[in-house]
Amino acid sequence: GEDVEQSLFLSVREGDSSVINCTYTDSSSTYLYWYKQEPGAGLQLLTYIFSNMDMKQDQRLTVLLNKKDKHLSLRIADTQTGDSAIYFCAESNPDTGRRALTFGSGTRLQVQP
Amino acid sequence: NAGVTQTPKFQVLKTGQSMTLQCAQDMNHNSMYWYRQDPGMGLRLIYYSASEGTTDKGEVPNGYNVSRLNKREFSLRLESAAPSQTSVYFCASSFFTGELFFGEGSRLTVL
Repeated sequence: GEDVEQSLFLSVREGDSSVINCTYTDSSSTYLYWYKQEPGAGLQLLTYIFSNMDMKQDQRLTVLLNKKDKHLSLRIADTQTGDSAIYFCAESNPDTGRRALTFGSGTRLQVQP
Repeated sequence: NAGVTQTPKFQVLKTGQSMTLQCAQDMNHNSMYWYRQDPGMGLRLIYYSASEGTTDKGEVPNGYNVSRLNKREFSLRLESAAPSQTSVYFCASSFFTGELFFGEGSRLTVL
């Protein structure tokens, strides 16, 4: 079945860039997402990318997709302490009826002042 | 804007007890989902409902039942709770696909 892998932890200093990586196994994934979870809260969609794109930029966020290697990354520029959270990579393929997202295990980002 | 509302937020059960987690959304979404979140394992799909009147099993359905009562409400029932079901449960909904809107979670402890 589908599988999504992420490293569990990343620590950066405030003002640096953060890069969170994700790999997935389903080559037919058509949508790839990044969600953010703050302590004690549910997940919120940060950004997403269609599989026919290789990059998407949204203010401080840059998503890179390498479809050949099935690798997705999220870059956060000028990381702030408010960016400390767990970041989840997820994928789906609604064209096959698989609308529910498959999530990775989440990467905990710690931003040090 | 309420979004997705889950109740209860916290619950402690003894092994063998039953309970129902309630979820309601006010965004007129077609699809609703139940996930569980465990440390180091991300979110795993328990059941989902693509539209009113339909439900389908996800990755980890054993020990759970669901009811899509109407378009707004999707409940998750544990008939005989087990310690392995200690987890944080999230309900989510979506209109089309991709952008899932999540509730704040229900933290369940089974002793």
